[in-house]
Amino acid sequence: KQEVTQIPAALSVPEGENLVLNCSFTDSAIYNLQWFRQDPGKGLTSLLLIQSSQREQTSGRLNASLDKSSGRSTLYIAASQPGDSATYLCAPDSGGYQKVTFGIGTKLQVIP
Amino acid sequence: GAVVSQHPSRVICKSGTSVKIECRSLDFQATTMFWYRQFPKKSLMLMATSNEGSKATYEQGVEKDKFLINHASLTLSTLTVTSAHPEDSSFYICSARDELAGGAQNTGELFFGEGSRLTVL
Repeated sequence: KQEVTQIPAALSVPEGENLVLNCSFTDSAIYNLQWFRQDPGKGLTSLLLIQSSQREQTSGRLNASLDKSSGRSTLYIAASQPGDSATYLCAPDSGGYQKVTFGIGTKLQVIP
Repeated sequence: GAVVSQHPSRVICKSGTSVKIECRSLDFQATTMFWYRQFPKKSLMLMATSNEGSKATYEQGVEKDKFLINHASLTLSTLTVTSAHPEDSSFYICSARDELAGGAQNTGELFFGEGSRLTVL
């Protein structure tokens, strides 16, 4: 059974800071890992998808890395902005009909 | 990117009534869709896996007669909360995988709907 842990659970930073969100998972037999953001009362928005054969993926100010063998992924956010305030969730995915397990995420607040 | 549409976004109903929530993949086909429930400040809890043309697979502890799932086509799955009670009030979210993009291993990206806030009075 996949278990996902995200550290820290909450983070408050001033605008402009670079920050790192951590994700660890227990079952390394995954095909990919996705990072999502969730705004209050909303669904999940996909940010990045890293295939298991990849080490990292970048999109704008976001960079996600994956160390599949150790069951870890990090999301790096550069030059944080107030609009980045949300809950960030990582989702290791075994593909196909396998269910995707979520942790409780990291709640980020970027202070103007 | 692919879009999953969920409707309604909010619904308020009286206790004892049934409520149907729709989940549509707008520009891709999905043999499998997933239904989640989220309590305040909690993570997403998988309720069931919806399979096109066959019965849904429910997670342990989820009442299949209470939460009816129908996956009528490759682009539509519905969740019906039957005889809703106040304890069923929650945020329900569906997701679908872009299977064609996922190749043989079906590792396509997961897309989520915007969620449906159910309030049972």
